[in-house]
This record gives sequence, C-alpha cells and structure tokens, in this order.
Amino acid sequence: DIVMAQSPDSLAVSLGERTTINCKSSQSVLYRSNNKTYLAWYQHKPGQPPKLLIYWASTRDSGVPDRFSGSGSGTDFTLTISSLQAEDVAIYYCQQYYHAPWTFGQGTRVEIK
Amino acid sequence: QVHLQESGPGLVEPSQTLSLTCTVSGGSISSGSHYWSWIRQPAGRGLEWIGHIYISGSTNYNPSLKSRVTISVDTSKNSFSLRLNSVTAADTAVYYCARGVYDSGGYPANFDYWGQGTLVTVSS
Repeated sequence: DIVMAQSPDSLAVSLGERTTINCKSSQSVLYRSNNKTYLAWYQHKPGQPPKLLIYWASTRDSGVPDRFSGSGSGTDFTLTISSLQAEDVAIYYCQQYYHAPWTFGQGTRVEIK
Repeated sequence: QVHLQESGPGLVEPSQTLSLTCTVSGGSISSGSHYWSWIRQPAGRGLEWIGHIYISGSTNYNPSLKSRVTISVDTSKNSFSLRLNSVTAADTAVYYCARGVYDSGGYPANFDYWGQGTLVTVSS
C-alpha cells in the first residue's frame, strides 16, 4: 500500500496568516504516461461531509476559494491557505488515487490562534 | 446539486453483518460517468477506503477487507450498498459513501462528493 504521511498533525494560525500543510507519499504518485499526479486534498468540518478542494495535486475544484492552492510533485505535496479565514477551521486530508487501495493521510487539524 | 445519504442500523452485534445503503439524489447512478465508493473512519483514526463499484457491476475492494466485503448497486433505487460480514469491535466507525470521477483514460480518480457519514457501532 502507498502510505501517506501528513505534517503537522495540527496547527494553530492567526486569522489572515498563511497556512501550509505537507503530505508525503511512500512512492511516487505521478503517472508518467499522462504526466498527471494522482493526489487530492479534502476539507472536513464537523457535522459536514468531506469536501474536495484540490485534485491532480494542484487543480482547484469548482467554487473553492483561490486562497487554497496545491503544489508538489512525485512524493512531496503541499496544501497552502494563503490567508486563513475563520471558516477554514477543519481537518485536511491528502489522498492518493494512483494505486489501489486508495489511501489517505492521517489528517491535519487547523485551528485559529 | 448531488447529494449522497447513508442509511442503516447504527448498532450491529459482533459476528453479524453490517449493511448500509447510500441513496444518491441530483444525478443518476446509472449514467456511467462515475464510480461509487465506501470509506470508513474509526474514532480517533484515519480514513480507510473500503472499496468501490462501477456501474457495470464490477468491484474493487481493499485487500484488508476483501474477504468480508460486498458492494452492490441498485439502479432502480439510485443507490448502492455495503455489506460487511463477521464484524468485530474493530469495525466500529463512521461509514461514508462517496462518488468518484474518472480520469481522461477511464481510470478511477478522486472523489468529488461525499455523504454526511453514519456511525455504526459493533457491540452486544
């Protein structure tokens, strides 16, 4: 199985500050034949279903604010929130869909400082 | 807007079978444009993909659960279901259903919609 490791497990950030969450996969999730990176990011708020933020490592889903961005390649990925808003308090997960079984990172809890 | 809703018993006795249904609204499950998946999250732990089903009826299961899992689809009810046999306390979790998309080559890719999740407790 591809192991996904996120860091940090949690962080507290002031409103308006930049937030960075890291995700590392145990093997590359880049499919060379189409040059696509099989990685997604989800946001999960209490009492709500998880929400897709980013797919193909850097493509924002429709309606996702542009303060959210994804980057990285191969095995190292980053989700960045450029200016943290109160509504961004949530747990964030990365997920690889390169090879079954699909696997997720353990999650990063983002709180307001 | 697509909506997925899980339903089923919240309490299952050990050694019995866990059965859940995910009802899809806002889109047809038989369109063939998506695949349909189950994911779970035990309390205090991470997300675990259980498996998924394509509209053709073919399935793909997590090897860790494969011997106990069956996912099926009911196009007449626009729903798909999960059965997990011989449950133990380790199967206590919030169970989510989700819709997946395909890449340009027809390979299953990310999930785009999830249900709210339903807590299933395994206990006598």
